[in-house]
Amino acid sequence: AQSVAQPEDQVNVAEGNPLTVKCTYSVSGNPYLFWYVQYPNRGLQFLLKYITGDNLVKGSYGFEAEFNKSQTSFHLKKPSALVSDSALYFCAVRDSGSGGYQKVTFGTGTKLQVIP
Amino acid sequence: GAVVSQHPSRVICKSGTSVKIECRSLDFQATTMFWYRQFPKQSLMLMATSNEGSKATYEQGVEKDKFLINHASLTLSTLTVTSAHPEDSSFYICSARVGSGRAYNEQFFGPGTRLTVL
Repeated sequence: AQSVAQPEDQVNVAEGNPLTVKCTYSVSGNPYLFWYVQYPNRGLQFLLKYITGDNLVKGSYGFEAEFNKSQTSFHLKKPSALVSDSALYFCAVRDSGSGGYQKVTFGTGTKLQVIP
Repeated sequence: GAVVSQHPSRVICKSGTSVKIECRSLDFQATTMFWYRQFPKQSLMLMATSNEGSKATYEQGVEKDKFLINHASLTLSTLTVTSAHPEDSSFYICSARVGSGRAYNEQFFGPGTRLTVL
């Protein structure tokens, strides 16, 4: 079974400071990893994904994430936080698997609060 | 990019009535659509997976007779909450998996439907 852990319910960061939102995963095969952002009463917006290739993935709105296979982590980062980045962030994993499309499993979400 | 729409965005209904939520992929064909439920301050829980032209696959604990899913075409899936009760109040989100092309196998999410059952 695959799983995702987001150990922090909430992350607070001052505007202009770098931010990190943590994610670790567990899959039996090679992982496909995703980050999504959700604003209040809205659906999920795709930020970035890791499928294969470079471990550092760049995504939307200046976000990036680093895939670390040995630590089974895929932390989300941004060099300089904006107040508008305040939202709920979900990490997700899908086993690349074989024999068909595998389901996506979501983490529990981390609320990011950027303080002006 | 690929766009998924949901209708309605918000619905309030009386207990005992049925509510239908539509999920459409606007600019691509979706071989598979997924229905999620999200409780306040919680993650998305997969309810069911639907493939065009076949019966939906429900996750453990999800009542298939209560949450009817129809995936009639490659661009439309519907979720009907039958005989809704207050405990069915939730945020329902659909997603669609791209069937071909550059974004093959990617999932795109709808904006969600807020259901409130009085």
